[in-house]
Parts: sequence; C-alpha cells; structure tokens
Amino acid sequence: DAMVIQNPRYQVTQFGKPVTLSCSQTLNHNVMYWYQQKSSQAPKLLFHYYDKDFNNEADTPDNFQSRRPNTSFCFLDIRSPGLGDAAMYLCATSRDLGMYQPQHFGDGTRLSIL
Amino acid sequence: QQPVQSPQAVILREGEDAVINCSSSKALYSVHWYRQKHGEAPVFLMILLKGGEQKGHDKISASFNEKKQQSSLYLTASQLSYSGTYFCGTPQGETSGSRLTFGEGTQLTVNP
Repeated sequence: DAMVIQNPRYQVTQFGKPVTLSCSQTLNHNVMYWYQQKSSQAPKLLFHYYDKDFNNEADTPDNFQSRRPNTSFCFLDIRSPGLGDAAMYLCATSRDLGMYQPQHFGDGTRLSIL
Repeated sequence: QQPVQSPQAVILREGEDAVINCSSSKALYSVHWYRQKHGEAPVFLMILLKGGEQKGHDKISASFNEKKQQSSLYLTASQLSYSGTYFCGTPQGETSGSRLTFGEGTQLTVNP
C-alpha cells in the first residue's frame, strides 16, 4: 500500500542534543509537510517542500530545519531541542499545492526531551 | 487566523447524530475535514470548495457556506468508529494553496 512512513514512532533526546526525524513516502507526491502537534492541540504547520523548493512558515523557530534529499524522503532537524519542543511531529504529503489537495499523514513521531 | 470549531467536545450514544461547526473571521476558499484517533495520524475525510457545495462520505457529510464563512460537518447515525477528534483546516489565503491552518478540534465520543 502506498503510504507515508515516519521513523521512529517514539524518540527521546536530551535537552540541547540535536535530533533528526525522518519521513518517507511511496505516493510519489510533490509536496511534503512537517507539522508540530502538542497535546490536545491542532497540528501546526512548520514548513513544506514543493519538490526541492523549501517554504518556511513565518513563525517557525530557527531551531527547526528540514532537508529533502529526494522525492521520497524528508527530514526534520531540531538543532538544540528545548523542553517546549516536546510534541508529536507529523509528516504529510499532497500531490500538489492546490487548495483542493487532500493531505496524507504519517503516524507521527512523538518526541520527548529529557 | 485559526478557524474556530464548536463544540469543543460532544458525547453521543451509538445511532445519534452530531454537527460540528468550523467558522472563520476571514474569507474561506476551501475547508478540509480530518479525523484523528488518539495516537494515530489524522485521516482525510473531505474537502469543500467555494460554491456552497455539500459533500457526503458514507453517513458523514459536510456543507460550506461561503457568505457565513462557515462549514459544518454532519455525522448521522453515529457508529463507535466515529469516535476521535475532528479538525477542520483552512488555507490562510487565496494564494496559500494547500498550506492549512487547523482549528483546535472537536472531540467526539460515541458510546454503546
């Protein structure tokens, strides 16, 4: 089945220690998104890639970066995680950027900061 | 501007109906609806575009009132599997494309 896969499902890191979360997709979609979702809150868009074009949301902290080495993979790098960065991180894809495009989500990575 | 969802939570018995509303203070160009079960990924339900259309998906349907800047999700004859948190997502603006801002969610619990 075509899908969006996130690894790992659970990640624990230490305060200030860089961490990378990964996302892969077999849907061959052009767009990949990263969302942050804190407990009982809405998913919040951090950034997205359209093909190789990176687009940052205005309020995304500089601490968060992303890489997309090819169509299938996208990474979220948190350079110096703080306690406030503990959250579920969701990767999603869509075929294109139109407002009629549904998004397909992975199961998420739950990040804990010690 | 984040869309506002109401109610925040609703508890139903199996077979009952529910309505979840999503409203915006800005012009709405499209509304996406997703359902998320605890610890799982949000799952796409449907998208509504400008034009006041109504869509259906099994016993879940939705309407979009452009003038009122509001969308409503209708769940009829609810099943246990409908339990979860429902999010509406809207583009920030006409040129925002698929970049969505989600409402805070409506937690739906269906009991036997």
